[in-house]
Amino acid sequence: ETGVTQSPTHLIKTRGQQVTLRCSSQSGHNTVSWYQQALGQGPQFIFQYYREEENGRGNFPPRFSGLQFPNYSSELNVNALELDDSALYLCASSLGGTGGTEAFFGQGTRLTVV
Amino acid sequence: AQTVTQSQPEMSVQEAETVTLSCTYDTSESDYYLFWYKQPPSRQMILVIRQEAYKQQNATENRFSVNFQKAAKSFSLKISDSQLGDAAMYFCAYIRAGNNRKLIWGLGTSLAVNP
Repeated sequence: ETGVTQSPTHLIKTRGQQVTLRCSSQSGHNTVSWYQQALGQGPQFIFQYYREEENGRGNFPPRFSGLQFPNYSSELNVNALELDDSALYLCASSLGGTGGTEAFFGQGTRLTVV
Repeated sequence: AQTVTQSQPEMSVQEAETVTLSCTYDTSESDYYLFWYKQPPSRQMILVIRQEAYKQQNATENRFSVNFQKAAKSFSLKISDSQLGDAAMYFCAYIRAGNNRKLIWGLGTSLAVNP
């Protein structure tokens, strides 16, 4: 167990709808990163939040947005869902500052868009 | 742009034998970190081993060890005395040093362990 929890674990949405995924980071961690993992692929970086500010973004459209709260938990919001958004969404928490320390992952949210 | 390549989509090994998973990467950075993560069917990414680029000594963690060749930009994972519980997807990942923790991942290698 990493102490990183994601909710929900599974979700089915209809194309065009909006979805919010949640992540509770490990105690003491101030950085949360979100990744999208399509079936049979490696994860792709969506964005990262450090102390409630966005701290880097991957090649994802603006309909992917996020928040980090004062307790360092985080949300990933996706508007106008498309079929290609079907994927496993992974949240990772870590300590900010210099790179290299371990990122702890949650169990992921499996999103299916129909 | 940094890239990570895993050229073996699938590998298999007999229980108690040794297997090596390959990974190559491309970067112009000199200070970075490399990782091997394991993703079992439960989906949770689990860190297997980490290597700092500035360290010449290869990292080891119990039955897991790496062969880090910085000049060749190669980072292979060796699993000794393979166990049934080692069966999973294995991902090689890169992150440059600094405040931006963007992990860059390979496509993964599916490892089967045969009894």
